[in-house]
Amino acid sequence: AIQMTQSPSSLSASVGDRVTITCRASQGIRNDLGWYQQKPGKAPKLLIYAASSLQSGVPSRFSGSGSGTDFTLTISSLQPEDFATYYCLQDYNYPHSFGQGTKLEIK
Amino acid sequence: QVQLVESGGGVVQPGRSLRLSCAASGFTFSSYGMHWVRQAPGKGLEWVAVIWYDGSNKYYADSVKGRFTISRDNSKNTLYLQMNSLRAEDTAVYYCARDLPGVRSLDVWGKGTTVTVSS
Repeated sequence: AIQMTQSPSSLSASVGDRVTITCRASQGIRNDLGWYQQKPGKAPKLLIYAASSLQSGVPSRFSGSGSGTDFTLTISSLQPEDFATYYCLQDYNYPHSFGQGTKLEIK
Repeated sequence: QVQLVESGGGVVQPGRSLRLSCAASGFTFSSYGMHWVRQAPGKGLEWVAVIWYDGSNKYYADSVKGRFTISRDNSKNTLYLQMNSLRAEDTAVYYCARDLPGVRSLDVWGKGTTVTVSS
């Protein structure tokens, strides 16, 4: 099974900051990766699919890049509603696998 | 609107069985692959299983293979997860989610149902 290593596990930042979260796959997964946001007590929400495609309705301050084994999620200017936990998910093959998550907290 | 609603969670003893359901509405259920994803208390997300739009293929996480069975009834717009031989480590919120067509990302999620395995 493909292992997804996400970093950092937690991150403190301020409103207006630019932040980057990284996910590394244990083998090449082309661009078959999605990024999800989860707020406490809520279901995850798809932000980015196919590594860099913005899901409908998601603000343009979110962007994704990468292919093969290394991927990044960037939030260009943090807004108060962006403080949440973020996960990557490889959907290249089965079993799918999530990264361990990055908790983004207010500094 | 597009909606997924899970049900069937509860408290169950180790070794017993439970069946979860996920009722879909607002879209053509029979055209979409469907997934189960779970989250143990205070932990990250874990992908559990997928079933193709027509039920022809099913895949499972190693942690549930041989104990859990995913199925669907397209006439009832409902997805199921039959969970047998439950263990304490199966305690989690279980979410159903829809495949984004052609991409396999999960674009629509239910609110989840909680399963607690405890004696």
